[in-house]
Amino acid sequence: AQTVTQSQPEMSVQEAETVTLSCTYDTSESNYYLFWYKQPPSRQMILVIRQEAYKQQNATENRFSVNFQKAAKSFSLKISDSQLGDTAMYFCAFMILNTDKLIFGTGTRLQVFP
Amino acid sequence: NAGVMQNPRHLVRRRGQEARLRCSPMKGHSHVYWYRQLPEEGLKFMVYLQKENIIDESGMPKERFSAEFPKEGPSILRIQQVVRGDSAAYFCASSPTGTQYNEQFFGPGTRLTVL
Repeated sequence: AQTVTQSQPEMSVQEAETVTLSCTYDTSESNYYLFWYKQPPSRQMILVIRQEAYKQQNATENRFSVNFQKAAKSFSLKISDSQLGDTAMYFCAFMILNTDKLIFGTGTRLQVFP
Repeated sequence: NAGVMQNPRHLVRRRGQEARLRCSPMKGHSHVYWYRQLPEEGLKFMVYLQKENIIDESGMPKERFSAEFPKEGPSILRIQQVVRGDSAAYFCASSPTGTQYNEQFFGPGTRLTVL
């Protein structure tokens, strides 16, 4: 079975600080993509960052970066210089190549304090 | 280019009624996906459609739920004889093609409340 586990239901961080959200997943497939989505109070799902499993280099998007450990099946998200607008639910997800089906974790609620 | 449109944004139904949720994909996108988010949970895949075809419905409940994506018009997720357990947010996503990887762009969701 394909599963995604986010073990931190809630996290908090002070503005301008760095926070890391953890994610582990389980699959027997070797070709897949990994994602972090942000869901602010508006509930709109916004893609934050994605990683191809065949790439060893960790993806980065401005203040967002990932630590992808394929052997450990771990895919954590680091947010640097946290901003108030980063307050949201964050979902880790993956997609097996050619299935077009996103599998989501249960989410981590991140609160950024001034 | 308008994003994925979903309507209504909020829908209230009484037990036993029918719910119809609509999704208009982004212009040029021919692939539509429906996900359901129960309270305090992540999104769960329901169904993947192309124009006039259901490609993968492995996440759809066997009864009362159906989906279509006609040649013309929006995709429709239909729930017959709703029950309280159907209360959730239903998200639609679209992508330009359905092979390998193409980013799925999400709509704002429809929040269904069953009284």
